Amino acid sequence: EIVLTQSPGTLSLSPGERATLSCRASQSVSTTFLSWYQQKPGQAPRLLIYGASNRATDIPDRFSGSGSGTDFTLTISRLEPEDFAVYYCQQYGSSPRITFGPGTKVDIK
Amino acid sequence: QVTLRESGPALVKPTQTLTLTCTFSGFSFNTRGICVSWIRQPPGKALEWLALIGWDDDKYYSTSLKTRLTISKDTSKNQVVLTMTNMDPVDTATYYCARVHGPSGYYDSDYWGQGTLVTVSS
Repeated sequence: EIVLTQSPGTLSLSPGERATLSCRASQSVSTTFLSWYQQKPGQAPRLLIYGASNRATDIPDRFSGSGSGTDFTLTISRLEPEDFAVYYCQQYGSSPRITFGPGTKVDIK
Repeated sequence: QVTLRESGPALVKPTQTLTLTCTFSGFSFNTRGICVSWIRQPPGKALEWLALIGWDDDKYYSTSLKTRLTISKDTSKNQVVLTMTNMDPVDTATYYCARVHGPSGYYDSDYWGQGTLVTVSS
């Protein structure tokens, strides 16, 4: 069974700074099936990145995804005020079909 | 325009069975690769995937909850139903349904409902 671990748990940064979020899998995950989501308080999650590195519709280019195998990264090049939120990685695979990581909270320093 | 909406009771008693319905529009199970998932989120905690049903009626469940979950679909009504038996206060959460977009090949959860808060209390 694939387990996703995200680090750090909380990232305290200032607007304009670069954010680097990590997602590590307990076994290899196909890049095709690794996605990232943003969730703000009181809202449903929103798809940011699919296929490890493809931005979803209307997602600004300051968001980028990379990685392969067991290590994946979400980078926000310059934090905007609206980017302070919780970010989850997700894998789609064989067992279990879908797994979410525990999330990384990006808050204002 | 793709939309999903969860519906069901806001309050259930311990040991009762929860039945939630996801009603969607803008896509169809007649499209190969389309799936719908249920995900929950206890207050202040992380997302937890529960179950998925595919266009071909294949069903998949969370390992830890599979004995309590049943997922089904009504293609003609564009609905997916999730039942969870033997509810406990720890099952208090916001329950979301989401489209899993298989036709793209990526199987990402690209559209989500707004979620419905279910509280388990006597």
